Amino acid sequence: DAKTTQPTSMDCAEGRAANLPCNHSTISGNEYVYWYRQIHSQGPQYIIHGLKNNETNEMASLIITEDRKSSTLILPHATLRDTAVYYCIVRVFNTDKLIFGTGTRLQVFP
Amino acid sequence: GAVVSQHPSWVICKSGTSVKIECRSLDFQATTMFWYRQFPKQSLMLMATSNEGSKATYEQGVEKDKFLINHASLTLSTLTVTSAHPEDSSFYICSAKGLAGGPYNEQFFGPGTRLTVL
Repeated sequence: DAKTTQPTSMDCAEGRAANLPCNHSTISGNEYVYWYRQIHSQGPQYIIHGLKNNETNEMASLIITEDRKSSTLILPHATLRDTAVYYCIVRVFNTDKLIFGTGTRLQVFP
Repeated sequence: GAVVSQHPSWVICKSGTSVKIECRSLDFQATTMFWYRQFPKQSLMLMATSNEGSKATYEQGVEKDKFLINHASLTLSTLTVTSAHPEDSSFYICSAKGLAGGPYNEQFFGPGTRLTVL
């Protein structure tokens, strides 16, 4: 299973873009990159996922490098409610399983 | 859309008793449901995967006789912790996934159930 590496914690000023990096150097060609976040004592919330191309939705943008060994989740205008633990996950090939790592604790400050 | 509920949201029980946790997909049919466990300050750990009408598939190290999973319908899965002990105290979270190719083709998580065993 591909593993992911994320910084333990990051800070971001409210209103600024939050850029959360993730390394997944052992990813296979047909494995997807998923991002979820977990606000304290709640279930994780789906954010976005991608395979090769960059993706954007109403919550965030996902930038995947050409070699697919790393990606960046971008929250364009962070708010205090975006404070959470963000998980970058590589979905196990040919299954629906998501193996959660330790994630990045994002703190948005006023 | 894609709302998943869990009941109860928290439960306290005595050691040796059994506890049942329900997971429901409220606005879509979930062909697959997943159960996770999360200890304080740790990440989520997948316990088992269940497909509607089939036996659950457990992850390595998870006792299937202790954590009974039933996925009897496309909107309901239950996790029963049998003969609970204090070390089973944890945050239990379910997720539900809809039909492949449909609008709910990702894992959508419930709010979690906090179990405390005295």
